[in-house]
Amino acid sequence: GAGVSQSPRYKVAKRGQDVALRCDPISGHVSLFWYQQALGQGPEFLTYFQNEAQLDKSGLPSDRFFAERPEGSVSTLKIQRTQQEDSAVYLCASSPRTSRVAGELFFGEGSRLTVL
Amino acid sequence: GENVEQHPSTLSVQEGDSAVIKCTYSDSASNYFPWYKQELGKRPQLIIDIRSNVGEKKDQRIAVTLNKTAKHFSLHITETQPEDSAVYFCAASSNSGGSNYKLTFGKGTLLTVNP
Repeated sequence: GAGVSQSPRYKVAKRGQDVALRCDPISGHVSLFWYQQALGQGPEFLTYFQNEAQLDKSGLPSDRFFAERPEGSVSTLKIQRTQQEDSAVYLCASSPRTSRVAGELFFGEGSRLTVL
Repeated sequence: GENVEQHPSTLSVQEGDSAVIKCTYSDSASNYFPWYKQELGKRPQLIIDIRSNVGEKKDQRIAVTLNKTAKHFSLHITETQPEDSAVYFCAASSNSGGSNYKLTFGKGTLLTVNP
């Protein structure tokens, strides 16, 4: 079956614009994560969903960042009034496990955001 | 929260040699330690993982060791091949209130295997 799919793969935004990044997880996966990966760095946790419930948003850098997963499948990460420091690759990952047991994360290819 | 340190940041070896990457973590409650490989422009992919009730795990040319007392774990790749060239990330998953989902990643090691 298909892996985790993210779109767009590349996005260039002018400072102050709003952007929306989409993630299609592997079908049936309960858990969905968003990570931010700056150039030359490891992924950093942003937020976690179990089905449609956002259980943890402690990693979102500011209230300009918002994520949703309304039907427990597709998720969207929205960034309002983008700033240059938002430039990064945004990785989505899914897992068949619930929050109680850590296991393999299946990552998408990422959405590379460049803010000019 | 959890803090993961990874060394070295770059590693260059000759084909056929071994490569070792080391990580330390800060949270003694961490109980799951995966390693991901990320080729340039590609998605991170799990190559091996270990849980805190095990000291060592091996899968063909790849092995991971865990020292819970020292809060230290390492990735060992033997008989390296050019296709092993990539960035490798270690990570630790903390257990908090019965939930265990959040991975904290190291900064990565760029491994180059020279033919």
